[in-house]
Amino acid sequence: GESVGLHLPTLSVQEGDNSIINCAYSNSASDYFIWYKQESGKGPQFIIDIRSNMDKRQGQRVTVLLNKTVKHLSLQIAATQPGDSAVYFCAETLNNDMRFGAGTRLTVKP
Amino acid sequence: GAVVSQHPSRVICKSGTSVKIECRSLDFQATTMFWYRQFPKQSLMLMATSNEGSKATYEQGVEKDKFLINHASLTLSTLTVTSAHPEDSSFYICSAEPEGNSYEQYFGPGTRLTVT
Repeated sequence: GESVGLHLPTLSVQEGDNSIINCAYSNSASDYFIWYKQESGKGPQFIIDIRSNMDKRQGQRVTVLLNKTVKHLSLQIAATQPGDSAVYFCAETLNNDMRFGAGTRLTVKP
Repeated sequence: GAVVSQHPSRVICKSGTSVKIECRSLDFQATTMFWYRQFPKQSLMLMATSNEGSKATYEQGVEKDKFLINHASLTLSTLTVTSAHPEDSSFYICSAEPEGNSYEQYFGPGTRLTVT
């Protein structure tokens, strides 16, 4: 059967609140970062990306912040909705090599 | 645009049999496709990178004779789990990188493999 691994970090927020999901990446030379959303039983979906020459990028209801000094990436979701409940992964990319972070499970309470 | 499909979405097989999973880029050509494995409550683990027309590059610890990858065309890559065992049960996800764009990957919906 499948191995039982570490449980994902979880974040529980109230509907309408803002959510902040954090990610520590590993390679200081990584030059492109992506946040993915994965709903249960589905493949990851692209949310937003950012290149290393930027420190902030905004999308619709989402903002990604990049702090290269401490190798930290965050995803902010404004006015969180029940449909935002999912697991969120950050990914770092260098030279066509993409590595995923551990993931965070976001649960939105109505 | 940029749709990737996987087939089958779910498969149950008996120990010792082989299972083939297909990954197709439906509306773009992909010179590179990636295969990931995901255990419950864990992140995606890269298994191998396949380039059209050449042998796949496997990550450390992934048995290439166990997980056969074929990338015969710019729109199709297949993963065959040979002589499957229950420990091979997992969620397998592919992604495809559009030709000429090395920064984007589009993910398939995944295949749930259960080996009994």
